[in-house]
Amino acid sequence: RKEVEQDPGPFNVPEGATVAFNCTYSNSASQSFFWYRQDCRKEPKLLMSVYSSGNEDGRFTAQLNRASQYISLLIRDSKLSDSATYLCVVTNQAGTALIFGKGTTLSVSS
Amino acid sequence: DAGITQSPRYKITETGRQVTLMCHQTWSHSYMFWYRQDLGHGLRLIYYSAAADITDKGEVPDGYVVSRSKTENFPLTLESATRSQTSVYFCASSQTFGGSYNEQFFGPGTRLTVL
Repeated sequence: RKEVEQDPGPFNVPEGATVAFNCTYSNSASQSFFWYRQDCRKEPKLLMSVYSSGNEDGRFTAQLNRASQYISLLIRDSKLSDSATYLCVVTNQAGTALIFGKGTTLSVSS
Repeated sequence: DAGITQSPRYKITETGRQVTLMCHQTWSHSYMFWYRQDLGHGLRLIYYSAAADITDKGEVPDGYVVSRSKTENFPLTLESATRSQTSVYFCASSQTFGGSYNEQFFGPGTRLTVL
């Protein structure tokens, strides 16, 4: 089982749609969780950290289920500018490195 | 300008040649990282450094060498380039590591092609 697995995508949605991405991780000792965003041929940038209690940042909501080792990202009212690849990221067991998922591509169309 | 820069941005080299990719950050971040990104694999950690003169291997270190004599610089050297090292290389830095407050800031990447 890969350390971080994500929905393969791509997700093609119209503007205004709500879309959800899922991610599972294999190491129960992982302590920190993140969603990064990567635009085409650009560097990854932190979108948001993910907390056990769930957290929201504007149109974005992240959830963590430690028991199921499952992370989600919900995007409401999708914008054209949300088109990107979303990377699920967790820390390794030792807490010395970030482990990246392969990413899920979102394409929002008008 | 403040930030993290990489050079060169694009590089074409031949099998067997030595190549050095440069990374420079102006934030005085303690931690620096090198990743490679390939289709089908996502981002994979090559080496990281917790401070000047402290480096450690990541997931895919074979064929690479790093050094960190100054906090702001973290060069990555391919001692004898192979075609399998054709990739996009990203450098990153963070002030801390551990907990939820360890955002890594990435450079723009270097696209390396080994012929």
